[in-house]
Amino acid sequence: EAQVTQNPRYLITVTGKKLTVTCSQNMNHEYMSWYRQDPGLGLRQIYYSMNVEVTDKGDVPEGYKVSRKEKRNFPLILESPSPNQTSLYFCASRPGQGAYYEQYFGPGTRLTVT
Amino acid sequence: EDQVTQSPEALRLQEGESSSLNCSYTVSGLRGLFWYRQDPGKGPEFLFTLYSAGEEKEKERLKATLTKKESFLHITAPKPEDSATYLCAVQAAGGFKTIFGAGTRLFVKA
Repeated sequence: EAQVTQNPRYLITVTGKKLTVTCSQNMNHEYMSWYRQDPGLGLRQIYYSMNVEVTDKGDVPEGYKVSRKEKRNFPLILESPSPNQTSLYFCASRPGQGAYYEQYFGPGTRLTVT
Repeated sequence: EDQVTQSPEALRLQEGESSSLNCSYTVSGLRGLFWYRQDPGKGPEFLFTLYSAGEEKEKERLKATLTKKESFLHITAPKPEDSATYLCAVQAAGGFKTIFGAGTRLFVKA
């Protein structure tokens, strides 16, 4: 089954404790992206990657890091999480950069930072 | 600055009561406008992509239209299973970022 998977689905952590949220897709997609979703603000793009070793900032990259060493994986790293990073996170992928490609979303990771 | 605004924030309909959701956008050249459906606790699910003013697309009870400043998602004779949050997003020409609106929560009562 074609899908985007994220782990963990739920995470409660403390301020300053480094964490990684994994994202993997099995569709051989070139373009992958991370979003956070907050009430009243909608989805905001954190980082995106157009291919292996090619990443760029979205609208809210502060406090996050990403890497794209393999085509299928795009982990999101929070080196020193803070309470304002409590949010619902989504990973997404699509075949290429073009707008004509449908974007597929993962099931989401709910992160709470205390 | 590229921006997407959706209205209303929430919409309550009776089953069979047709209506429209609005998405206003400001971008420096539009590469594509997208509509997604999001059910509670799930990731957004793709519905449509529109590329140029005048374009229309349909899927079951949903029809999306596009002008130079806004898009509408028309819902004809909705059913309770159409209840969800509907998200609008744009990709601007010359860039690869996707900008989402805050969404419209639709409730359809039987």
